[in-house]
Amino acid sequence: DAGITQSPRYKITETGRQVTLMCHQTWSHSYMFWYRQDLGHGLRLIYYSAAADITDKGEVPDGYVVSRSKTENFPLTLESATRSQTSVYFCASSEGIREQYFGPGTRLTVT
Amino acid sequence: GQQLNQSPQSMFIQEGEDVSMNCTSSSIFNTWLWYKQEPGEGPVLLIALYKAGELTSNGRLTAQFGITRKDSFLNISASIPSDVGIYFCAGPKVSTFGNEKLTFGTGTRLTIIP
Repeated sequence: DAGITQSPRYKITETGRQVTLMCHQTWSHSYMFWYRQDLGHGLRLIYYSAAADITDKGEVPDGYVVSRSKTENFPLTLESATRSQTSVYFCASSEGIREQYFGPGTRLTVT
Repeated sequence: GQQLNQSPQSMFIQEGEDVSMNCTSSSIFNTWLWYKQEPGEGPVLLIALYKAGELTSNGRLTAQFGITRKDSFLNISASIPSDVGIYFCAGPKVSTFGNEKLTFGTGTRLTIIP
């Protein structure tokens, strides 16, 4: 089905491990985004990409790495997971910046 | 980072009641978006507004772009159980690098009392 998917939906990992969250969209949207959602902070932008091979930092990029070799995929990597990175992560895509469409989210727990 | 202020933070209403919520900012926005998030899911776009004074409906939902361009309003008429969720407003904000990024409101949590 067309849309935006994220995997895994749930992940438990240990402090210090590398974790990659996947995001895939079938709309051929130019823009893709990664957000984290935490109680008391709402949705905060981690990184975004305007096109393949073009990425830029958002509000809270420290500890995260992104890449975008193909238009449809935008993986987010936590190089060395910390407990403060326990959160729900949402991927979104859009043709322009404004009307973004969100994936179902990945709930990550770092122990 | 800057967030849009939404009120109320939470609402407890009975089925069939009308709902009103708003979103305010100290900055001018040229677009307002309203999203709904249900438990365990990602936000879903409900309504997009592009012009000051614009009034747009989507079924029982009606949203307005405030005349001052610093606020927006969302109304839900005759609420039903599936309206439960968190409603977020969002608007594009020009970043340090000159491009636009979405800023999200703090959310209004809607609960329907049986």
